[in-house]
Amino acid sequence: KQEVTQIPAALSVPEGENLVLNCSFTDSAIYNLQWFRQDPGKGLTSLLLIQSSQREQTSGRLNASLDKSSGRSTLYIAASQPGDSATYLCAVQGSARQLTFGSGTQLTVLP
Amino acid sequence: DVKVTQSSRYLVKRTGEKVFLECVQDMDHENMFWYRQDPGLGLRLIYFSYDVKMKEKGDIPEGYSVSREKKERFSLILESASTNQTSMYLCASSLPGGYEGYTFGSGTRLTVV
Repeated sequence: KQEVTQIPAALSVPEGENLVLNCSFTDSAIYNLQWFRQDPGKGLTSLLLIQSSQREQTSGRLNASLDKSSGRSTLYIAASQPGDSATYLCAVQGSARQLTFGSGTQLTVLP
Repeated sequence: DVKVTQSSRYLVKRTGEKVFLECVQDMDHENMFWYRQDPGLGLRLIYFSYDVKMKEKGDIPEGYSVSREKKERFSLILESASTNQTSMYLCASSLPGGYEGYTFGSGTRLTVV
């Protein structure tokens, strides 16, 4: 059974810092990996989707990488802003075509 | 902009009531999903559907049922609401195979008293 782990569980950084969020998964037979953002009491907003054949995806200040063989993905946030404060979730889609979620990293960017 | 719309942001229901949570997507997606999210337990899949009138049990289907009469609408039904069903409920949709990822709604916070 696929297991997804996100480290750290919480992270607090000063505004302007570059930061990396980590996601690891136990079964490398995945179709894609998706990073989401969740604000308190809200739904999930998709940030980046990486297909299994891709190594990375970029959107603005966000860059996500995927190393399927080692079961790892990272989300890089450049020049962090207070508005980036949220919980970040990674999810992998495996052979059952369903998502398995990590428990999330709660990010706080201090002004 | 493509959307998954959940009809209610907040609901308060009494124990024993029959509760309907509605989800509508405008992306012509075949696949639709219902999750619940609880602190410390993360997101858990309740039910999903790959086509109209089709439904499959997820990891925690007990106490729930679903209805999909039209492609764009997927309803979650709590047959007799209980306090342990107080949770955030999230609906999602995707294309077949999920190759373009999942799109989620804004969530329904259900409180059962």
